[in-house]
Order: sequence, then structure tokens, then C-alpha cells
Amino acid sequence: EAGVAQSPRYKIIEKRQSVAFWCNPISGHATLYWYQQILGQGPKLLIQFQNNGVVDDSQLPKDRFSAERLKGVDSTLKIQPAKLEDSAVYLCASSLQTGAFGEQYFGPGTRLTVT
Amino acid sequence: AQSVTQLDSQVPVFEEAPVELRCNYSSSVSVYLFWYVQYPNQGLQLLLKYLSGSTLVKGINGFEAEFNKSQTSFHLRKPSVHISDTAEYFCATSGFQKLVFGTGTRLLVSP
Repeated sequence: EAGVAQSPRYKIIEKRQSVAFWCNPISGHATLYWYQQILGQGPKLLIQFQNNGVVDDSQLPKDRFSAERLKGVDSTLKIQPAKLEDSAVYLCASSLQTGAFGEQYFGPGTRLTVT
Repeated sequence: AQSVTQLDSQVPVFEEAPVELRCNYSSSVSVYLFWYVQYPNQGLQLLLKYLSGSTLVKGINGFEAEFNKSQTSFHLRKPSVHISDTAEYFCATSGFQKLVFGTGTRLLVSP
């Protein structure tokens, strides 16, 4: 079974530029998550999708971050414009079901450096 | 709000020695607790989870954890570590359908 795929693995941009990350979840997983992991901290949930719909985006900085999940499969996370404090690893995860009983499977992440 | 606290940012240990990584939780409702491992340049992998039932939970790679309600703890243990266990370990709790992670403990195993 293929795992969660993410691309690119690394990205370096200058502040005020835009960037996009792509995630392909495990086949059949209805729930998809985007996390931000700043160096020295645990992952923080940015947004959670259930199929096409957003379940939780309470911690997504909506003035600069956006995410979509077209057709309930792949997802894209965008930052525009980027700030220095956006430097982090962006993790995508997916699960068959939501809640504590739905084990989340994580991709390898995209390491973003904003200079 | 539910949260977890990992008391140690880094734990150095020699190969084949036992190890305990500490995690304390804060919750006023049903408690669901998890331990994840993150190897360098990789995503997180679930080690074990406590949802209900037996307070001693066994996970992958020889790890186990004990849910202690009176001490609000969920410490992770392994009786004998290997070099390959060097990684970052995250304790997490689940509330309102989302995981809340601790700040992580870096386990450094040396020969």
C-alpha cells in the first residue's frame, strides 16, 4: 500500500513570494490533514478535510494561507505572501475516519525555508 | 482545552539501556493518548495509542506505555534501546477530532 505522498520535499523562497505544496493521501482515506511543524515544536493542525469539505480550519492564518481538496483526493496548501515565520515543515496526513479512532498516516513533509 | 506536556526535550542513553520518556496530559473529558515517532527527514509514525481498557499499552518496536489516571501521565518505556531508536518522540492527545501534540523529546542512543 502506497503511503502519503508530498511534494516538493524542500523549498526555499524569499519573503513575500508565494508557494504551494501538494499532497496525495492514501487511497480511500476520506480525511486529510495539513500540519505545520516549526523547529523544536510539535506539529500544529492547520486544516482538516472530510472528503471535499473543511472540518476544522480554526488555526489556519486565512489572510495568507489557503487550502483546497478537489474531488476529495489530492490537496494543495498555498501560502501567499510568505513571511519569515512560515519557515517550517508542512506535514500532510490522512485517515480512514475522523476522531481518535482514525489512525493518521503522515507523509514525509515539505521543508520550507523563507529568507 | 486538552494538552500534553513532555518534560524532557532531550534524553541521552546508551545502547541496550532502558529508557522512559515522560508525558503528562491535561483533560477534563475522555482521554485518548498517543505516542508518535519521527525519524530524521521522515513523517510521523504511530507507536501506540490508549483509547480505553488496559492501562498498559504495547506498541511497535518493543515500546510500551502506561496510562496512569491518578498521575495524569502516559510515559513511554523500552527495556533495551537500540541505535536505530534515535529519533524524535511526540506524545499527543485527541480532542474534538484533532490531535494536539507535545513539543517532543529527542532520544539520542549512543554505543
